Amino acid sequence: GAGVSQSPRYKVAKRGQDVALRCDPISGHVSLFWYQQALGQGPEFLTYFQNEAQLDKSGLPSDRFFAERPEGSVSTLKIQRTQQEDSAVYLCASSLIPSAQGYYEQYFGPGTRLTVT
Amino acid sequence: AQKVTQAQTEISVVEKEDVTLDCVYETRDTTYYLFWYKQPPSGELVFLIRRNSFDEQNEISGRYSWNFQKSTSSFNFTITASQVVDSAVYFCALSEVISNFGNEKLTFGTGTRLTIIP
Repeated sequence: GAGVSQSPRYKVAKRGQDVALRCDPISGHVSLFWYQQALGQGPEFLTYFQNEAQLDKSGLPSDRFFAERPEGSVSTLKIQRTQQEDSAVYLCASSLIPSAQGYYEQYFGPGTRLTVT
Repeated sequence: AQKVTQAQTEISVVEKEDVTLDCVYETRDTTYYLFWYKQPPSGELVFLIRRNSFDEQNEISGRYSWNFQKSTSSFNFTITASQVVDSAVYFCALSEVISNFGNEKLTFGTGTRLTIIP
């Protein structure tokens, strides 16, 4: 079956431009996560959706970052007035609601590599 | 706050050697999950294992094995008889519950780049 897909795979933006990154989760997956991975670092949590509700946005680095999932499936991460420090790979992951045992697995997409020049 | 430390930045071994990747974590939670992910050059994170904090049994899956020691807050990963295809960046991660449904965000270490030399 299809996995998590992200588009575009690569994005080059000039400093100050706005960008929108798209994530298509696995069909039926209720939970959706965004992570930011800087070069040479591990992914860092940005935000979490359960269906269309954004339950945690504690990892968003500034108010220039905004995420939405209006219909509970596709999600968009928007970065306004991009800065050089925004250059990173943005990973999306989706998962089912965990079972009573608390098990779940996050399936990751290939990421969008954003370069701000 | 949650923290995962992978002190080994890079490791190189000759093919067929065994190699152990270290992971040390910090958490105040009594219930948590630990994970290992593999990130090949293509960039996609590949899930390898999840371990419940209440289950300290070691696990073996083919050439992979994991040693979880709660007393030392460590969750080490060993690859036996390494192969060139094992070359990748490996991340250890720790979960933190963020909703009543138990869904969890992951805190990752900085990763260990493993190179298997043919």
